[in-house]
Amino acid sequence: GAGVSQSPSNKVTEKGKDVELRCDPISGHTALYWYRQRLGQGLEFLIYFQGNSAPDKSGLPSDRFSAERTGESVSTLTIQRTQQEDSAVYLCASSLWDQGDNTGELFFGEGSRLTVL
Amino acid sequence: LAKTTQPISMDSYEGQEVNITCSHNNIATNDYITWYQQFPSQGPRFIIQGYKTKVTNEVASLFIPADRKSSTLSLPRVSLSDTAVYYCLVGLYGGYNKLIFGAGTRLAVHP
Repeated sequence: GAGVSQSPSNKVTEKGKDVELRCDPISGHTALYWYRQRLGQGLEFLIYFQGNSAPDKSGLPSDRFSAERTGESVSTLTIQRTQQEDSAVYLCASSLWDQGDNTGELFFGEGSRLTVL
Repeated sequence: LAKTTQPISMDSYEGQEVNITCSHNNIATNDYITWYQQFPSQGPRFIIQGYKTKVTNEVASLFIPADRKSSTLSLPRVSLSDTAVYYCLVGLYGGYNKLIFGAGTRLAVHP
């Protein structure tokens, strides 16, 4: 597709369950970012990928959170043993980083809304 | 990493010019300043980017003083559809980096 696609758009789960959130970036975009946004709050940085590598995982809130990216394309954010405090919208963005004349603009998906009961 | 500070909220009326200022005192030499707009239930979208002086596009202007410790997003003649949250982002241009958004400014435009 032309834009960043995220799935599921909505996920309701029970406390203690694991969830996987998927992000399909714009084709050819080498950088991929995950953010969390709680209701009425700003964007909280979680992790970013250069290709398939994540140089800095310090933004992940706890060891229950993990993310991977394969084929310099799809990324999955996994939350294990979900807690009510994990309820938020999880936003993915991709960007084209190269030596050319581009702004490094972040293109965001519509987000995955997670509700933990 | 440069930390940004913006007003939490602003109010304006249709047809007025709105200026939102962002402080980034520890901006690094290679950092660019980018502004994003976010509507409810949507991801943020790029508005404008600059390094120094003034940048203008079809929707906004960005003013950056010589010391680059702040920047001002200017929205000319706002309409109700400009009601949104505006984020200032400071980061390294042309390279991978950890991009930290500030809390954003919630702009409400009234009839």
